[in-house]
Amino acid sequence: DVKVTQSSRYLVKRTGEKVFLECVQDMDHENMFWYRQDPGLGLRLIYFSYDVKMKEKGDIPEGYSVSREKKERFSLILESASTNQTSMYLCASSPRGQVGVTEAFFGQGTRLTVV
Amino acid sequence: DQQVKQNSPSLSVQEGRISILNCDYTNSMFDYFLWYKKYPAEGPTFLISISSIKDKNEDGRFTVFLNKSAKHLSLHIVPSQPGDSAVYFCAASANTGKLIFGQGTTLQVKP
Repeated sequence: DVKVTQSSRYLVKRTGEKVFLECVQDMDHENMFWYRQDPGLGLRLIYFSYDVKMKEKGDIPEGYSVSREKKERFSLILESASTNQTSMYLCASSPRGQVGVTEAFFGQGTRLTVV
Repeated sequence: DQQVKQNSPSLSVQEGRISILNCDYTNSMFDYFLWYKKYPAEGPTFLISISSIKDKNEDGRFTVFLNKSAKHLSLHIVPSQPGDSAVYFCAASANTGKLIFGQGTTLQVKP
């Protein structure tokens, strides 16, 4: 079974803090994704990585950065957390190749609250 | 600009009847389309997909239809069951590997 594990289910952070969200997958997938889910807006892509140290901006990268030093781990970094970054964050992974031919697998999500 | 749109935020259906969830897209480069299902406090799980070279794909109670000329796809669930109550996301992928999602439709199946 494919497993995508996000380090925390719930996080509360203060405005201005640097926040790290960690994601680990155990299926040797090349592609990894970070999304945020907000009511009425669906899942919006923040960043996409297609290989170690390779990344591509998604639709809403502002205020975020990512790190992929090892194939199995993809970290999302909020450089200076703000209240509008309060959201559900979802990590996903998929094998190399066309997404759709093979599916993307999701973690359980991290509910981040910035106060 | 939203490239994948689900214009119905919610849908309520009686158990045993058909559920039809709709999705529109704007990017003609998309060549794979997927549906995901999400329960509260869980990550989305894959349901069914379709390639742009097909117009229909069926898997048990779930069928996805693709109309390329209209840039429209739909998910049919027949018969609907109470356990199908969830948020359904439409997603699309081009050859870049990115996966773009719609806003989601909350399906409620009433017993």
